[in-house]
Amino acid sequence: AQSVTQPDIHITVSEGASLELRCNYSYGATPYLFWYVQSPGQGLQLLLKYFSGDTLVQGIKGFEAEFKRSQSSFNLRKPSVHWSDAAEYFCAVKLEERSGGGADGLTFGKGTHLIIQP
Amino acid sequence: NAGVTQTPKFRILKIGQSMTLQCTQDMNHNYMYWYRQDPGMGLKLIYYSVGAGITDKGEVPNGYNVSRSTTEDFPLRLELAAPSQTSVYFCASKGGPSTDTQYFGPGTRLTVL
Repeated sequence: AQSVTQPDIHITVSEGASLELRCNYSYGATPYLFWYVQSPGQGLQLLLKYFSGDTLVQGIKGFEAEFKRSQSSFNLRKPSVHWSDAAEYFCAVKLEERSGGGADGLTFGKGTHLIIQP
Repeated sequence: NAGVTQTPKFRILKIGQSMTLQCTQDMNHNYMYWYRQDPGMGLKLIYYSVGAGITDKGEVPNGYNVSRSTTEDFPLRLELAAPSQTSVYFCASKGGPSTDTQYFGPGTRLTVL
């Protein structure tokens, strides 16, 4: 069955420093991959997605992610973080239909909590 | 434009009680979803709907029921609440098969004691 692993539960980064959040997936076919951000008390907001084509995808708020099939990874990056980037970040993959993924339902990793140091 | 709204924001239930979590979207989206987020875990899909009158099970449907009588509303029903259903519940919607982005509501935090 498809799954998503985010190996880092917490990451602390200094403001202005670069960021990379890791995501590994398990999927039988070409995956549809997503990164979402969740601020405290809020719903999830889509940062970017990968379906096919160029393996480097650009998203909102200066984020980008690179799909690497050989490593089953879809890591999120940002060259310079801002204090407002502090949040919970979730990687997600579209469920296969046999796993209840009709209508493009998603399954998510456990999330990475990003802390920004001044 | 409110997007996806959920009520209530918080609720405490006793074991065996029932309740309905409400979800409404004003974007005229055909596809709607219910997810649960257990502490320290990612979201799991409970049920989804591709339009009024059509619903289907997701990854973790046991203990829940849904209905979709209108395009706007997609309520989630817990009939016999159990401690294992303590979670944060998120409703989401998207336009249809040709659109990519799911829009999420703010969530309902449910505790079953």
